[in-house]
Order: sequence, then C-alpha cells, then structure tokens
Amino acid sequence: AQSVTQPDIHITVSEGASLELRCNYSYGATPYLFWYVQSPGQGLQLLLKYFSGDTLVQGIKGFEAEFKRSQSSFNLRKPSVHWSDAAEYFCAVGSTNAGKSTFGDGTTLTVKP
Amino acid sequence: DAGVIQSPRHEVTEMGQEVTLRCKPISGHNSLFWYRQTMMRGLELLIYFNNNVPIDDSGMPEDRFSAKMPNASFSTLKIQPSEPRDSAVYFCASSNIAASSYNEQFFGPGTRLTVL
Repeated sequence: AQSVTQPDIHITVSEGASLELRCNYSYGATPYLFWYVQSPGQGLQLLLKYFSGDTLVQGIKGFEAEFKRSQSSFNLRKPSVHWSDAAEYFCAVGSTNAGKSTFGDGTTLTVKP
Repeated sequence: DAGVIQSPRHEVTEMGQEVTLRCKPISGHNSLFWYRQTMMRGLELLIYFNNNVPIDDSGMPEDRFSAKMPNASFSTLKIQPSEPRDSAVYFCASSNIAASSYNEQFFGPGTRLTVL
C-alpha cells in the first residue's frame, strides 16, 4: 500500500530565509508525486508534480522539489520565503487507480517577519 | 474556467438533521473525490468516482454517509442523521484521468459543516 510521511508537523522560518519541507513516500512502482498548498480557509492548490524525467521539478510561486528514488523522498524547497507562503503544505503520492492519491498529514509553515 | 464549485460554503445544523453537500466538478473531468478535513484526523478520502461510478467508498465513516453522482457534472454527499462529530470541512476535488497518465486533483473551496 502506498503511504506518505511528512516528518515535520510545524516549521517556522524567517522571511527571506530558505525553506525545505520533507516528504518520504512508500510505493511499489514509479510514483506520481505532488505537492499541494492550502492557505487558511481555502482548498488545496497544486504547487508542482513529478511523473518522470528530470528529478528536479519547478512549480509555481518559486517552489521546486527534487525526487530521490534512493531515499524515497520528494522534498520541497524555496530559496527565499515570503510572508505570503505561510500555509499548510501537503505531499501526496498518486496511483493509476482512477487517480486516487494518498496525502501526508501536512506541514504548517509559519513565516516570521 | 470556474473550477470546482461546492455549495453551500458554510452549513450550520442541529444534531439529527439531514445535510446535503453539493459539488460541480470541472467540465471534462472524469474522476471526483470527496474528502473530509479535521484537526484531529487531517485530510481523509471518503469516496471517489470514476466516470460517475463509485470506485472506492471504504473511507465513508458510517452508513449515515452516502454519496451519489447522477451525472458527470454533479455529485452530492449526504449525512443522515448528522452528529456533532461530523463537524469538519468537506472538500470535493476532480481530476481528468487518462488511460496512460495521471493528473493532479483540483480542489473546491470546501464546505464548512458545523453540527450543534
């Protein structure tokens, strides 16, 4: 069965600092991997996705993620965090089973001024 | 593109009452998902449909919950009777699943349900 672990429940960074959110997955085949962001009071929005090819993928809002098969990881990064990045971030692994995804428990990001 | 539309956005009801949540997926999408989000349990998949057919309802918590998708442009999630522990934000998401690829899910804004 597929699963996703986001080890950090809550992360606080200063505005302008770099950010890395961790995600580890378990999946029997080549995974489809996603990062979503949820701002307060809103639904989830896709930041980026990985299917195959280049293991470093670029997303919206200046985010990127790197797929490392050997570590079963798909960590999200941003070089310089903005106050508007404060939100909850979800990593997800997908399957070909009608598109069902398994989501991690989320990481809440707080940005200090 | 209007995105996924959910109604109502907020619902307050009393224990024992029937609650119906509605979702209109993005036109052309062939999969639809219902999720529940709470502080305690996080994001839970309740049920999902592919081409209007329920594929997996193992996440539906109890028989009090039911979901239908009568056509490609409409789905409902019903709770009857409702209980205070059903209070949560319910999200609908849709996706366009092709035979040989996988696409991301597009989420609606959610319905915040409060059962008193």
